[in-house]
Amino acid sequence: AQSVTQLGSHVSVSEGALVLLRCNYSSSVPPYLFWYVQYPNQGLQLLLKYTSAATLVKGINGFEAEFKKSETSFHLTKPSAHMRDAAEYFCAVSSGGYQKVTFGTGTKLQVIP
Amino acid sequence: DTEVTQTPKHLVMGMTNKKSLKCEQHMGHRAMYWYKQKAKKPPELMFVYSYEKLSINESVPSRFSPECPNSSLLNLHLHALQPEDSALYLCASSQVGTAYGYTFGSGTRLTVV
Repeated sequence: AQSVTQLGSHVSVSEGALVLLRCNYSSSVPPYLFWYVQYPNQGLQLLLKYTSAATLVKGINGFEAEFKKSETSFHLTKPSAHMRDAAEYFCAVSSGGYQKVTFGTGTKLQVIP
Repeated sequence: DTEVTQTPKHLVMGMTNKKSLKCEQHMGHRAMYWYKQKAKKPPELMFVYSYEKLSINESVPSRFSPECPNSSLLNLHLHALQPEDSALYLCASSQVGTAYGYTFGSGTRLTVV
């Protein structure tokens, strides 16, 4: 079985402040982990993915995430928030040979000018 | 071409209508997916096609009927839907396997009246 838990359904940060979105996973086998972003009325866009090559993963739009096995976490960070980062962010996991991704419940990021 | 194209973008249908959603990709991906997303919720997997064969059906009601005519196209046929089926329907594609992120289309906003 596989699952992800996103802590905080809403996160607010000031423009220029650090963005930290939390994700913890559960998987009985080594997981593949993903972060997606969804802007209003649009589909999801892949930000970055962890596939065991490196624990610190850099993605698009200045985002990065660190895989920590001991903490079963894959938190998403960005040093300086921009207004255009306001969106819904989903953490996701796939594992066990299934052609199936399980999404977390999402975190809505608000950026305050 | 790095896009997944979905048509139509918006669809309003009555409960006795028959309609189809279409999805097309030209990235050479051999896995394609249908997801349903209700407001403020994560995407829910409906169907997975691998190499044009249905590999996962998440116990979706028979009023939803998927079809994969070739490696670039994915359809979702709709018949006798209920108002609670109103949602954003997302198509995605990827390489076959669990380590690959998805490329999503922008979705079809379906309203059942």
